[in-house]
Amino acid sequence: GDSVTQMEGPVTLSEEAFLTINCTYTATGYPSLFWYVQYPGEGLQLLLKATKADDKGSNKGFEATYRKETTSFHLEKGSVQVSDSAVYFCALSEGGSEKLVFGKGTKLTVNP
Amino acid sequence: GAVVSQHPSRVICKSGTSVKIECRSLDFQATTMFWYRQFPKQSLMLMATSNEGSKATYEQGVEKDKFLINHASLTLSTLTVTSAHPEDSSFYICSARAGTGIYEQYFGPGTRLTVT
Repeated sequence: GDSVTQMEGPVTLSEEAFLTINCTYTATGYPSLFWYVQYPGEGLQLLLKATKADDKGSNKGFEATYRKETTSFHLEKGSVQVSDSAVYFCALSEGGSEKLVFGKGTKLTVNP
Repeated sequence: GAVVSQHPSRVICKSGTSVKIECRSLDFQATTMFWYRQFPKQSLMLMATSNEGSKATYEQGVEKDKFLINHASLTLSTLTVTSAHPEDSSFYICSARAGTGIYEQYFGPGTRLTVT
């Protein structure tokens, strides 16, 4: 079945450091890919998405590119802030399905 | 933006008892609600999908008689864990969708259930 694998955390960075959180997926078809973020005490929020190969999703300085050849959707940000401290989830949805398949989540802590 | 609340945020119950978790869409009507479960250091796993006024659709391996889902109104869904056991201890998360697109799925903050 479909699955998502993302890098183990926790990740601790200093403010203004470069962030990469790796995400790879296994799917039978051509899924849509998502990154969700969960801030402390809040629900998951959609951060960005990409629906087809080579699409780049971006939001709040975060970017991820749908790479079909490597089945990857790595999350990047050039300069993290303390306010980016949260748990990040990579997810996929197969063929227009309403069901989301999530990775395990990666906790990011950014220190001033 | 759309807000989904869950109540309670944490609950401790004794083995053999039942516990109810509420999921509310505060500022929109949710035609569909989803219930997820997350074990420590594991992925969120979809348990069931419920549409207002109809029976929930459970994922394979989820006991529908143990995890009772009721979606009685467009703003409220409840998950009742019946005859809870320690292995039911987990983090339960709901989400609600207003439209038909997957991008319109909004998540609650989760409920931590501990069964002693």
